[in-house]
Amino acid sequence: GAVVSQHPSRVICKSGTSVKIECRSLDFQATTMFWYRQFPKQSLMLMATSNEGSKATYEQGVEKDKFLINHASLTLSTLTVTSAHPEDSSFYICSAREPPQGTSGYEQYFGPGTRLTVT
Amino acid sequence: AQSVTQPDIHITVSEGASLELRCNYSYGATPYLFWYVQSPGQGLQLLLKYFSGDTLVQGIKGFEAEFKRSQSSFNLRKPSVHWSDAAEYFCAVVPSGTYKYIFGTGTRLKVLA
Repeated sequence: GAVVSQHPSRVICKSGTSVKIECRSLDFQATTMFWYRQFPKQSLMLMATSNEGSKATYEQGVEKDKFLINHASLTLSTLTVTSAHPEDSSFYICSAREPPQGTSGYEQYFGPGTRLTVT
Repeated sequence: AQSVTQPDIHITVSEGASLELRCNYSYGATPYLFWYVQSPGQGLQLLLKYFSGDTLVQGIKGFEAEFKRSQSSFNLRKPSVHWSDAAEYFCAVVPSGTYKYIFGTGTRLKVLA
């Protein structure tokens, strides 16, 4: 149980275009999803937290107009990188958590990640 | 400042040797604690977690971790490393009163044949 998928796994786009990454919880309802960015050989950096049906909360320094997050349902969140530039190239990982119930709501389930390359 | 520290950026061990990866945190109240492993180009796989209770936690793949409150540590151990254990290991902490993960900087494990 508790499987999270991401699509696509890899994407190459041209500079100036937009790209959308999907994150799905396959076998549970995720009230909260998280988007992380990971640079090569570095740790995960939280970009934003999205709650179903409400606006995402962005971490300090993350441009919300560049990284649009939508959490339209309890099983799907999307990250759209708008007007992508080469410096946006990175590994993007999403995670999801179940509704808080005891300690279960504190564990995050991670997707396999999406490698974005902007040329 | 509140932080999660993994002091060892790189560790190299021989196959069959024992392993200990260190994780220290600086939060007042005991947080929830996790260890994840990441293979190149992959997502994170949970090895084990600690919420409360027995301070020695057993995980998957033969890993265990011990929570030591007095040292604010949650070190990961394995008695005999396999070549397939080569990967990046992340300690993550959920501070009391929040639900966000704070990740350590990671430890890259290399296993010599």
